[in-house]
Amino acid sequence: DTAVSQTPKYLVTQMGNDKSIKCEQNLGHDTMYWYKQDSKKFLKIMFSYNNKELIINETVPNRFSPKSPDKAHLNLHINSLELGDSAVYFCASSQADRGYGYTFGSGTRLTVV
Amino acid sequence: GDSVTQMEGPVTLSEEAFLTINCTYTATGYPSLFWYVQYPGEGLQLLLKATKADDKGSNKGFEATYRKETTSFHLEKGSVQVSDSAVYFCALDRNLGAQKLVFGQGTRLTINP
Repeated sequence: DTAVSQTPKYLVTQMGNDKSIKCEQNLGHDTMYWYKQDSKKFLKIMFSYNNKELIINETVPNRFSPKSPDKAHLNLHINSLELGDSAVYFCASSQADRGYGYTFGSGTRLTVV
Repeated sequence: GDSVTQMEGPVTLSEEAFLTINCTYTATGYPSLFWYVQYPGEGLQLLLKATKADDKGSNKGFEATYRKETTSFHLEKGSVQVSDSAVYFCALDRNLGAQKLVFGQGTRLTINP
């Protein structure tokens, strides 16, 4: 059973389109995240949700809108895609007990052409 | 702000060599420290962690010791294998405020047979 699953794994789309990436976790964690990994492999947090409530929003353009229908799901919708949005997007989850670690999905490689 | 600095890569070693990947951090309070590994084409996997000073995390022959006096968490392995080739990320969670992982820039490791 996959702990944190993301779909799709690959996404190729044209500039200006709107797309969504879905994430689900079956670990019972109460916090979920979106991270962006750029072409140099650098990882940076974008958003976090705790029990459907937005906790972190790290200076991400408002073209990016996360949505958490319940604590097991965190989706990422991107409007008006730009070339610079091309990256790998990772979903992750964690428990409230700090130091336990974070579980990551396998990533979604987004390519904007 | 909180930050993590890793040794620049790429690092190339021969099989059975000794590995050290340096990691130092800056953080408020007493963070938890992690090493994550990303194998080619895959997501991030937790390799090991330490939650307080002098703790040693270990897994799959890798070790790292939380050194508060030097604010370091260097990754070591006594004898590397070709299968250890991957990108390694040092990260911290500062255990204050909202949960989030702050990553170093990653170190690409290649092991030659």
